[in-house]
Amino acid sequence: DAKTTQPPSMDCAEGRAANLPCNHSTISGNEYVYWYRQIHSQGPQYIIHGLKNNETNEMASLIITEDRKSSTLILPHATLRDTAVYYCIVRPPGSARQLTFGSGTQLTVLP
Amino acid sequence: SAVISQKPSRDICQRGTSLTIQCQVDSQVTMMFWYRQQPGQSLTLIATANQGSEATYESGFVIDKFPISRPNLTFSTLTVSNMSPEDSSIYLCSVKLADWWGEQFFGPGTRLTVL
Repeated sequence: DAKTTQPPSMDCAEGRAANLPCNHSTISGNEYVYWYRQIHSQGPQYIIHGLKNNETNEMASLIITEDRKSSTLILPHATLRDTAVYYCIVRPPGSARQLTFGSGTQLTVLP
Repeated sequence: SAVISQKPSRDICQRGTSLTIQCQVDSQVTMMFWYRQQPGQSLTLIATANQGSEATYESGFVIDKFPISRPNLTFSTLTVSNMSPEDSSIYLCSVKLADWWGEQFFGPGTRLTVL
């Protein structure tokens, strides 16, 4: 699976957009980009995933660059409950492949 | 989606003993996995629990230390054997529902402290 690089930590003011970057310069053509988050003392939670088109759901938006070497997760209106470690993961589809976690970004939403 | 429960939610154990963690899913799932999260660290995959056959272990993890059972499509157990303080971690069960959909769900975790 392609390796990802994320900043170790970020702060964001409550109510503002949180933009979390991820570099995955060695991503292969069939690998998807997944985002999960882990709120303290809970199991990881799925946020969103995409292949090459931008994606949006009720939680967040995922922007993938045209060359697919990087992506940005956007939380449009961050709340204190969004404080968590955010993991960017790339992997090919298929039932045999499980998630491999990197170190993630600790996002702290400040009041 | 899938609702995953784990028992116990936390435990404090003595060195040299063993603990079995249970994972129950509210629906039949294709794949079940066990992860470990050491204090302040990210998640590390221990093994894939295979129904009706031996689990598939990742590098650095062995069956004698972490025996796994998966008797059906909704239940699995992970045993941490002959525990030492280095085994103090959160152990998480995770599942995938179907082959084609990438979403993977996680249980709440079992927080283990070994004295």
